[in-house]
Amino acid sequence: DIQMTQSPSTLSASLGDRVTITCRASESINIWLAWYQQKPGKAPKMLIYKASSLESGVPLRFSGSGSGTEFTLTISSLQPDDFGGYYCQQYNDYPWTFGQGTKVEIK
Amino acid sequence: QAQLVQSGAEVQKPGASVKVSCKASGYTFSSYTIHWVRQAPGQRLEWMGWISTGTGNTKYSQKFQDRVTISRDTSASIAYMEMSRLRREDTAVYYCASLLDLDKVGGMDLWGQGTTVTVSS
Repeated sequence: DIQMTQSPSTLSASLGDRVTITCRASESINIWLAWYQQKPGKAPKMLIYKASSLESGVPLRFSGSGSGTEFTLTISSLQPDDFGGYYCQQYNDYPWTFGQGTKVEIK
Repeated sequence: QAQLVQSGAEVQKPGASVKVSCKASGYTFSSYTIHWVRQAPGQRLEWMGWISTGTGNTKYSQKFQDRVTISRDTSASIAYMEMSRLRREDTAVYYCASLLDLDKVGGMDLWGQGTTVTVSS
């Protein structure tokens, strides 16, 4: 199985800060990566697909980059609604696998 | 609008089985694959498998191959996930999800609200 590793596990940032989350795959997954946001008690919500394509309706402050084994999710200016968990997921090969998650807290 | 609505919370004893349903509406059910994903408390999301709602073909994660059966009822637009021989570590929220924009190639852009399954004696 392809292992997905995110860092950091938790981050605390101030409103307006630029925030970056990293996701590493144990082998190349080309661009077949999605990012999700998950609020407590809710289902995940897709933010990014194909590593860098923004899902419809997602604010432009979210962006994704990377290919191969290294990927990043960036929030350009952290807003109050951005707290929650963020997960990367590879769909290059089955079984699809997720990172362990990054918890974003607002200072 | 497209949505997936799952059945309610379940409490089952170890060794029992559970069957969770996922009703689709607002789109053509048989045109899009349904996936099942679970999340144990404090753990990462875990992909379990999918069903091609049109053909009935299935694909499972090897981890769940022996205990999970995914099925569907096209006349009712419902997908099911049944897990047998439940263990305490199967306590989790179970989600159904789909990908309605095939240009994305993969991932899941439509999710059910989740069904909590608790395994306890």
